Amino acid sequence: NAGVTQTPKFQVLKTGQSMTLQCAQDMNHNSMYWYRQDPGMGLRLIYYSASEGTTDKGEVPNGYNVSRLNKREFSLRLESAAPSQTSVYFCASNLQGSTIYFGEGSWLTVV
Amino acid sequence: RKEVEQDPGPFNVPEGATVAFNCTYSNSASQSFFWYRQDCRKEPKLLMSVYSSGNEDGRFTAQLNRASQYISLLIRDSKLSDSATYLCVVNLGSQGNLIFGKGTKLSVKP
Repeated sequence: NAGVTQTPKFQVLKTGQSMTLQCAQDMNHNSMYWYRQDPGMGLRLIYYSASEGTTDKGEVPNGYNVSRLNKREFSLRLESAAPSQTSVYFCASNLQGSTIYFGEGSWLTVV
Repeated sequence: RKEVEQDPGPFNVPEGATVAFNCTYSNSASQSFFWYRQDCRKEPKLLMSVYSSGNEDGRFTAQLNRASQYISLLIRDSKLSDSATYLCVVNLGSQGNLIFGKGTKLSVKP
C-alpha cells in the first residue's frame, strides 16, 4: 500500500549544487503536486501537474523545474540550490477535486 | 486579507477537554473544504471533509458557514494522541487551487 513515495528523505547540498527530488504514486491519480513547508509559512505550492504531459507554476516556482515523466512520476529539480531553498518538500497527488494524499516528505538543507 | 486564516495556537488543553478550531477563507467561490492533521515531522493526512450540512466522525465535528466564510473543527473528549497541528484546507475548484492554512497546533496534556 505504497501511495505516494518520494526520495530522498534527507539531503544536504552545497550552494550551487543541483539535485532532483523524485516522486511516484500508485493510485492512478491524474494530478500531482510539489509543495514546500517552512516554519510559520504553511504549505506553499511550487508546481503542479493536472495530467500527464502538463505542468503549471504554483505560488513559489522560482528556482525550480519539474517534469511529469508519466502518469505515475513527477520530479522536482533544483538547478542551482540556494540556502533559501532549505525546506521540507512534499509531493502529493489526487484525482481532480478529491482528497489529496502526501508523500512522507524530503528534508533538504542547503549550506 | 490572507486566503485561509487560522489561529496558530498553540492550544494547550487537558485530556478530556473540548477544543474548537476556527478557520476563515477569503474566496467566496471556494467549493470544498477539508481538515488535515499533521504530526511533527510527518506529512499532512486527511482528518475529514467538511460538508455544508456539517458532519461528525466520532469525537470530531466539522461545520461550514458559507455566508460567513468560516469553517470550524470541534474535538470532544481530547486524547493525548490528538496532539498535532490541524490544517484547514480550501479547494477553489480548479487544478492547483488547494489553499492550506498555516495550521493550529494542539497539545493535549495528561
